[in-house]
Amino acid sequence: DTGVSQDPRHKITKRGQNVTFRCDPISEHNRLYWYRQTLGQGPEFLTYFQNEAQLEKSRLLSDRFSAERPKGSFSTLEIQRTEQGDSAMYLCASSLERTWAVLDPMGEQFFGPGTRLTVL
Amino acid sequence: GQQLNQSPQSMFIQEGEDVSMNCTSSSIFNTWLWYKQDPGEGPVLLIALYKAGELTSNGRLTAQFGITRKDSFLNISASIPSDVGIYFCAGHSGNTGKLIFGQGTTLQVKP
Repeated sequence: DTGVSQDPRHKITKRGQNVTFRCDPISEHNRLYWYRQTLGQGPEFLTYFQNEAQLEKSRLLSDRFSAERPKGSFSTLEIQRTEQGDSAMYLCASSLERTWAVLDPMGEQFFGPGTRLTVL
Repeated sequence: GQQLNQSPQSMFIQEGEDVSMNCTSSSIFNTWLWYKQDPGEGPVLLIALYKAGELTSNGRLTAQFGITRKDSFLNISASIPSDVGIYFCAGHSGNTGKLIFGQGTTLQVKP
């Protein structure tokens, strides 16, 4: 199965610690998205990459959050000085942009299994 | 900002019954998507809709992209226990592809 993978699946950390999550998109997918999901809510957009370029960041992404996609393949999301309010499921999705497509050139987004973060 | 209102919030039905849920938006979307999420897992794409008025089926699932481009519905026919989960509508507009999600509909099926 060559779907989107995320690591780790679960992370428990103490407040103030730094954490880093990794996402491996479906190979050849040039777009990569990060979302955050809290209990009982739908996912909320954080940021996205087109190849290695980070093109948009949500206002939800405070200065403590940073995301990279250095070679246009896997991506990392780092949270510095974690707070209890950061506890959530962090989801990664990827899609294949098809500039020639008349309908939805951005492509369908496929999600990974998520990383569940608990900040104590 | 854009918001999606999804209803109902939850449903508890008997196996074999049909199910319907819908989403409405305060603004126009170019694409509507329906996902299913199991506990502790990421959302799984069920159906994608690209054109106003489009009606698309995937097995027992049928979804429609509203004519006004501000709404969509999902029907599940002859429900089975494995249909249990949370169903999310999502849409996007513009050229970023970022998805706006509804609050989800929790479906429980009684055997």
